[in-house]
Amino acid sequence: GNSVTQMEGPVTLSEEAFLTINCTYTATGYPSLFWYVQYPGEGLQLLLKATKADDKGSNKGFEATYRKETTSFHLEKGSVQVSDSAVYFCALSRAGWNAGNMLTFGGGTRLMVKP
Amino acid sequence: DADVTQTPRNRITKTGKRIMLECSQTKGHDRMYWYRQDPGLGLRLIYYSFDVKDINKGEISDGYSVSRQAQAKFSLSLESAIPNQTALYFCATRAGTGGGSTGELFFGEGSRLTVL
Repeated sequence: GNSVTQMEGPVTLSEEAFLTINCTYTATGYPSLFWYVQYPGEGLQLLLKATKADDKGSNKGFEATYRKETTSFHLEKGSVQVSDSAVYFCALSRAGWNAGNMLTFGGGTRLMVKP
Repeated sequence: DADVTQTPRNRITKTGKRIMLECSQTKGHDRMYWYRQDPGLGLRLIYYSFDVKDINKGEISDGYSVSRQAQAKFSLSLESAIPNQTALYFCATRAGTGGGSTGELFFGEGSRLTVL
């Protein structure tokens, strides 16, 4: 079956530090990959996505590249801000973005950024 | 106002009680979902519905039931709550696959349920 594995948190960084949150997946076929972000007290919001191998998703300074050879979709940001403090979820959807298939989520990684 | 609204936002109840969590949306989406969030386990799908006449079990449907009263409303019920159903519950919506839909899920703010 499908599964998503994320690095356990919390990840604590100082403002302007470089961020990497690792995500690896197991899936049959060619899934679409996503990062969702959950700010305190809120629901999840889509941060970025990639639908095929070697695609790079990017948004708000975050980026992630779909690596089929390593089955990974690591999230990176060059300079984090206090406002980036949140929980980040990696997720996959089988067989294409609009196929109506369900999302499988990783366990989430909490990021805390200190001033 | 939020596009996906959940009520109640917080609820404490006792073992054996019946609980209903309600979700309403103003996005006009056909597809609605109920997820459960537990620390370290991410989100797990309980039930989903692609239209008013369509209800499907997710990966953890035991102990839960749902009702799709209208396109905009999707309720989750716990007929007899137990302590291991203590969790944060999220409703989500998604447009159908036609008409230029991006397929993005839109989440409510969550309903925190504690079963004593």
